[in-house]
Amino acid sequence: EVQLVESGEGLVQPGGSLRLSCVASGFTFSDHYMDWVRQAPGKGLEWVGRIRNKANSYTTDYAAPVKGRFTISRDDSKNSLYLQMNSLNIEDTAVYYCVGLSHDSRGYWFHDYWGQGTLVTVSS
Amino acid sequence: DIQMTQSPSSLSASVGDRVTISCRASQSISTSLNWYQQKPGKAPNLLIYGASTLQSGVPSRFSGSGSETDFTLTISSLQPEDFATYYCQHSYNIFWKFGQGTKVEIK
Repeated sequence: EVQLVESGEGLVQPGGSLRLSCVASGFTFSDHYMDWVRQAPGKGLEWVGRIRNKANSYTTDYAAPVKGRFTISRDDSKNSLYLQMNSLNIEDTAVYYCVGLSHDSRGYWFHDYWGQGTLVTVSS
Repeated sequence: DIQMTQSPSSLSASVGDRVTISCRASQSISTSLNWYQQKPGKAPNLLIYGASTLQSGVPSRFSGSGSETDFTLTISSLQPEDFATYYCQHSYNIFWKFGQGTKVEIK
């Protein structure tokens, strides 16, 4: 059974930092690209960023609202994904999901595996 | 940036109804379009990818169609467990975007 378990939930003041972690099991974590997706309370889904696998040099991409403030990393030896969040502001308040990507033989990519989400609250 | 716009934002329907949700991309995305279902307090669940390919384990009452900029998710006969919020998402380039969601409520 595939499992993605996030941790690091917390309340942080504006301007502060927080690190989220995600531990994967039930699939070959090292093969997969991994994303973070967030959802503000009562709002829709927002892609945050991506880290590719070793074969693709662990390259990363970020959505414009978080670029320069958030950093995604991974440790394949621990089946773990991380999200370092700096300079947090109120708009970053959301449930953050760890998500595994898959693709089919035709090259269609999609979000296949989802964690349960972890809540980040930015408030003074 | 490719923007995704869903319509309607919400709808009320009865069990057994045929339901259609639309999704429009701000530019052509070929068939790089996915659909997800999300129930309250839960993570989203993939229904359809590549605009029309049903994910394994998803009931056949769900179907997807469309290409370029206009896409549709159809539920042929709404079941009680289908009351949820549905999101489209493009995977055409690096910066994946979701639609704003369509909430399907009980009439």
